[in-house]
Amino acid sequence: EDKVVQSPLSLVVHEGDTVTLNCSYEVTNFRSLLWYKQEKKAPTFLFMLTSSGIEKKSGRLSSILDKKELFSILNITATQTGDSAVYLCAVGAAGNKLTFGGGTRVLVKP
Amino acid sequence: EPEVTQTPSHQVTQMGQEVILRCVPISNHLYFYWYRQILGQKVEFLVSFYNNEISEKSEIFDDQFSVERPDGSNFTLKIRSTKLEDSAMYFCASSDRQPLNQPQHFGDGTRLSIL
Repeated sequence: EDKVVQSPLSLVVHEGDTVTLNCSYEVTNFRSLLWYKQEKKAPTFLFMLTSSGIEKKSGRLSSILDKKELFSILNITATQTGDSAVYLCAVGAAGNKLTFGGGTRVLVKP
Repeated sequence: EPEVTQTPSHQVTQMGQEVILRCVPISNHLYFYWYRQILGQKVEFLVSFYNNEISEKSEIFDDQFSVERPDGSNFTLKIRSTKLEDSAMYFCASSDRQPLNQPQHFGDGTRLSIL
């Protein structure tokens, strides 16, 4: 059975801090790893990673994948209160479905 | 920016009744999905749909569930004879090409409450 584990479960930081979120996985026939941000409703797509060691960046967010050690990290630098959300990691393997982790809840205090 | 839209945002139904959840995927997308998230739990895959047929389904997606694309824009999830444990947030998603090469984009969800 495919498994995706995220850590920590939650964290509280102050504006300006840097956060690092972790995602480890065990799947058969790995194809891609995706990060989503979930505020009140829809998971919003952030990154899709398919190759090891290539960092993807979007503004203050960045992510990298290690296919040998089977994990990914999502970094958020200079955090803002608007970064408060649940961050979801999902893995696409053989077939069409995504397998999600339990999420990391981030609270950024002013 | 194009988005996936879902209606209704909240549905309250008596146990045993049938419900239909509606989704309008992004217009040029070809692959469609339903996921659910029970309160406090992970997002779980239910079914994927391509070329007017189910391409993959999970163990959750039993005979109680069905999907349909009744016209060129809508994608529906029907739940027959609802149970209390069907209470969850149901998300529709779509992607424009082979799903493992393109991200899935999610709608805001329908919160289904079974009484």
